[in-house]
Amino acid sequence: TQLLEQSPQFLSIQEGENLTVYCNSSSVFSSLQWYRQEPGEGPVLLVTVVTGGEVKKLKRLTFQFGDARKDSSLHITAAQPGDTGLYLCAGGAGGTSYGKLTFGQGTILTVHP
Amino acid sequence: DTGVSQNPRHKITKRGQNVTFRCDPISEHNRLYWYRQTLGQGPEFLTYFQNEAQLEKSRLLSDRFSAERPKGSFSTLEIQRTEQGDSAMYLCASSLSVKTSYGYTFGSGTRLTVV
Repeated sequence: TQLLEQSPQFLSIQEGENLTVYCNSSSVFSSLQWYRQEPGEGPVLLVTVVTGGEVKKLKRLTFQFGDARKDSSLHITAAQPGDTGLYLCAGGAGGTSYGKLTFGQGTILTVHP
Repeated sequence: DTGVSQNPRHKITKRGQNVTFRCDPISEHNRLYWYRQTLGQGPEFLTYFQNEAQLEKSRLLSDRFSAERPKGSFSTLEIQRTEQGDSAMYLCASSLSVKTSYGYTFGSGTRLTVV
């Protein structure tokens, strides 16, 4: 069974601060995706990384996939109240389960004005 | 395209009753997934379809749960003899099988409360 551990589970910071969320596993994934979820809504895809060592930037968000494709991080620079939400990492399976995603338990981020 | 649509958005039912949820995926997506999410947790995989074929079903899914996707379009998830532990958000998502690295498109979910 593939498991993804996210840390921290909760993050409460002031506007303008930087933060990093980590996603770790003992399993290798074919891809790693990050989603953001608002209360009462479904997750929305932020980014997909597929190559070990890959770094992607989305405005103030930087995503990195570990060289061994077992871990990932999300870094937010100068956080804003609009960044508040639940951040989820999800690993893509390979083989016969290709396309199935395993999610971490999520990081609840609160950015205070 | 209006994205993935789920109905109803909310469902309150008494323990022991049967409930059915519907998901309409993005029309060109041939893969459809069902996940369950409890408060403060990430989504847990339940089952998925490629076209009308159910390719995988989680061992977490008891025999009270059944899902169908007739004609490879919309899907239904039925829970029989509901229990309080079934209370959760049920999420549906769709994707193109050859573009799974592009990620899922999720619906807004159906919030089930069993009283």
